[in-house]
Amino acid sequence: GESVGLHLPTLSVQEGDNSIINCAYSNSASDYFIWYKQESGKGPQFIIDIRSNMDKRQGQRVTVLLNKTVKHLSLQIAATQPGDSAVYFCAENMSSGTYKYIFGTGTRLKVLA
Amino acid sequence: NAGVTQTPKFQVLKTGQSMTLQCAQDMNHNSMYWYRQDPGMGLRLIYYSASEGTTDKGEVPNGYNVSRLNKREFSLRLESAAPSQTSVYFCASSAQEGTEAFFGQGTRLTVV
Repeated sequence: GESVGLHLPTLSVQEGDNSIINCAYSNSASDYFIWYKQESGKGPQFIIDIRSNMDKRQGQRVTVLLNKTVKHLSLQIAATQPGDSAVYFCAENMSSGTYKYIFGTGTRLKVLA
Repeated sequence: NAGVTQTPKFQVLKTGQSMTLQCAQDMNHNSMYWYRQDPGMGLRLIYYSASEGTTDKGEVPNGYNVSRLNKREFSLRLESAAPSQTSVYFCASSAQEGTEAFFGQGTRLTVV
């Protein structure tokens, strides 16, 4: 059974609506950011990334926004589907020899039918 | 294409026992990582190997050792398991720093 994420903040969204998941990162020197999706019993799966020289990047149904001024990252999912239900993590990387991807605590997304 | 493969998937240990978690990747990646994930928390880096032949401590290295056996394989060893090491362990790899890391399916370890 799933033991990860018992006390995570939860976002409940109606199927078909757009979802916005937020993340505050810690290090102003971080220059690479990733969003991961983690389904129950599985490893994190890459969704989208963005480098610090950009403020927006779009993928298929997903958009990541980066606000370096307030150290904030968001993931927007368009037309949320039941298969989007999972825990979402942001990760930051200071690409200067540290090799550390620092993960946030995650947000659970629940899609309501 | 298997990606990152971890063995075993589940393990129960008694306090004081030792074991090695195995990880292999077939993507010809240079860098490999071991993370642990506890309930309600994100992933925390235990050790990493930036390239074959090198290993370095991450955020929570105490109680663990690693070996980068070759470019494909990166193992994590618990010499004397403690209940505090009960967790889900993930191995990951990336082509290089500043690129996405790909994760295995995890090893659920319980120390009693």
